[in-house]
Amino acid sequence: KAGVTQTPRYLIKTRGQQVTLSCSPISGHRSVSWYQQTPGQGLQFLFEYFSETQRNKGNFPGRFSGRQFSNSRSEMNVSTLELGDSALYLCASSLVKGEQYFGPGTRLTVT
Amino acid sequence: DQQVKQNSPSLSVQEGRISILNCDYTNSMFDYFLWYKKYPAEGPTFLISISSIKDKNEDGRFTVFLNKSAKHLSLHIVPSQPGDSAVYFCAARRKANAGGTSYGKLTFGQGTILTVHP
Repeated sequence: KAGVTQTPRYLIKTRGQQVTLSCSPISGHRSVSWYQQTPGQGLQFLFEYFSETQRNKGNFPGRFSGRQFSNSRSEMNVSTLELGDSALYLCASSLVKGEQYFGPGTRLTVT
Repeated sequence: DQQVKQNSPSLSVQEGRISILNCDYTNSMFDYFLWYKKYPAEGPTFLISISSIKDKNEDGRFTVFLNKSAKHLSLHIVPSQPGDSAVYFCAARRKANAGGTSYGKLTFGQGTILTVHP
């Protein structure tokens, strides 16, 4: 069974721009969660989607948003990028409940 | 407010010996705990988990112990191998509320860098 895939793997953007990251979960997994990893803050929960509905949200500003499609694929969007948004963005999928399995991440650099 | 803490930033162990990684939590609503292993520039890899109704779970060389009264869990790796060298994160999940809507949120510790020397 294929694992969680994320695209793109690397991205360089300029302050003020916006970015969209994509995540394809493991087949059959309906829950998709997003996390941000930075050296200073560690792994921080962004949000979770289940059956196309956001059912959990972390403490991030409204510039961070996401959505889930009917095939469980998910996208997250960050608008008006700031230097502090530079991070590894990780997507994880799981069954209704259970262990989360992570993708390789998207490394975003904001200059 | 860090609800999950890994107080040891690093641990160095000789190959063949036991590695013990520790994790403390403060939120009594956590009822499910997981350990992940992470290499640089990769996503975390799930290792082992434990529900709060248990105090021990084993999977091959990996054993997780949970002490609910102390709000403490530990991961034992026996025997340790050089390939185990990585960053280890513990994570916790809250009990689902009536709508079952807390399953997807994991709270992570800051990680412990394990180095296993040949």
